[in-house]
Amino acid sequence: DADVTQTPRNRITKTGKRIMLECSQTKGHDRMYWYRQDPGLGLRLIYYSFDVKDINKGEISDGYSVSRQAQAKFSLSLESAIPNQTALYFCATVSNTGELFFGEGSRLTVL
Amino acid sequence: QKEVEQDPGPLSVPEGAIVSLNCTYSNSAFQYFMWYRQYSRKGPELLMYTYSSGNKEDGRFTAQVDKSSKYISLFIRDSQPSDSATYLCAMSVGSSNTGKLIFGQGTTLQVKP
Repeated sequence: DADVTQTPRNRITKTGKRIMLECSQTKGHDRMYWYRQDPGLGLRLIYYSFDVKDINKGEISDGYSVSRQAQAKFSLSLESAIPNQTALYFCATVSNTGELFFGEGSRLTVL
Repeated sequence: QKEVEQDPGPLSVPEGAIVSLNCTYSNSAFQYFMWYRQYSRKGPELLMYTYSSGNKEDGRFTAQVDKSSKYISLFIRDSQPSDSATYLCAMSVGSSNTGKLIFGQGTTLQVKP
């Protein structure tokens, strides 16, 4: 089983719909992250959480919200999806040595 | 101007070639420098990690950091078809385990048999 699991892996939705991307990890790390990857732009940080009670905005948080339900679970929501939120979304955790462990990604298409 | 610039390629080389991948950056506060490798339809995985200036070697891979020039490189010797992937440079300020990385755009590499 993967250390960082994301669901769904692929999702197509329509403008204005609410979408939730879920992430769970088995590495026991406290810190979890949501990144977005777009062609030509690399990965950009959306939100991060250092523990269950600590949520922080990243570089591009507008239009997104998150929930840290437990140490192992961190979900990303798009309250009203728009086409420019079409992207590949990655959840990650970080080890004490600074290595990020990524999930396999959730590909979201907003029509 | 982006904080981290990376030539997106694509870069195509024959098997056995030496590959040089590069990133430039503008923020002199970056202290931790990483290279991630991303295969198609997969998440990135850490390949090399260096702190401050200098070289680090791991098998066929060598990472170089030149803070004076704000320039980092990844060299791949004796490249193999299995090295075909997208390579992302990443950097951070302060403690390495914040997870708050600034990534380059990624360079797509194809190694042809």
